[in-house]
Amino acid sequence: QKEVEQNSGPLSVPEGAIASLNCTYSDRGSQSFFWYRQYSGKSPELIMSIYSNGDKEDGRFTAQLNKASQYVSLLIRDSQPSDSATYLCAVKKSSTLGRLYFGRGTQLTVWP
Amino acid sequence: EPEVTQTPSHQVTQMGQEVILRCVPISNHLYFYWYRQILGQKVEFLVSFYNNEISEKSEIFDDQFSVERPDGSNFTLKIRSTKLEDSAMYFCASSDRAGLTGELFFGEGSRLTVL
Repeated sequence: QKEVEQNSGPLSVPEGAIASLNCTYSDRGSQSFFWYRQYSGKSPELIMSIYSNGDKEDGRFTAQLNKASQYVSLLIRDSQPSDSATYLCAVKKSSTLGRLYFGRGTQLTVWP
Repeated sequence: EPEVTQTPSHQVTQMGQEVILRCVPISNHLYFYWYRQILGQKVEFLVSFYNNEISEKSEIFDDQFSVERPDGSNFTLKIRSTKLEDSAMYFCASSDRAGLTGELFFGEGSRLTVL
């Protein structure tokens, strides 16, 4: 079973819409959750981190965590063409010292 | 804004050769990492490093690989006797704290092509 699973997409939304990206994880020992954005050929860029159940908002981004369902999501409001990228979900587990386990990412396209 | 810098941005090498990838972590960070991403695949953890020793390594990080912090600023990944399957983007990352709340910041990566 994969540690972190994401729909590969592509997810396509019009400019101004809400993009919803989902991630599930297999290990209940997972404690910390991160969303990274990766443009093609570039490095992962940290967008959000979330550690507790519920919602966390930062500008146009909202991360949602449900540990009981082993589910974490990222909502992007007022999507812009510049948001077009691959979004990586990553988790840390209490059993390891800081290692991130990444999903394969969801490719998002925002069309004008 | 502080950033992680990596050199070279792209290296081409022949199979069997040794390569050294270099990284300068963010200056006040103490925890350093190497990850790799084979084209089209997920980002994979290789190794973490703290206080001049390896904290954790993955099954990928075998005897072919080594890491070193030769001075107060650089953090290097050495790959001995490169193989075709070592072709990937290698990312260095650093964090100011360990544990579950430590956020990792990645460099721009070094693309390694093994011919």
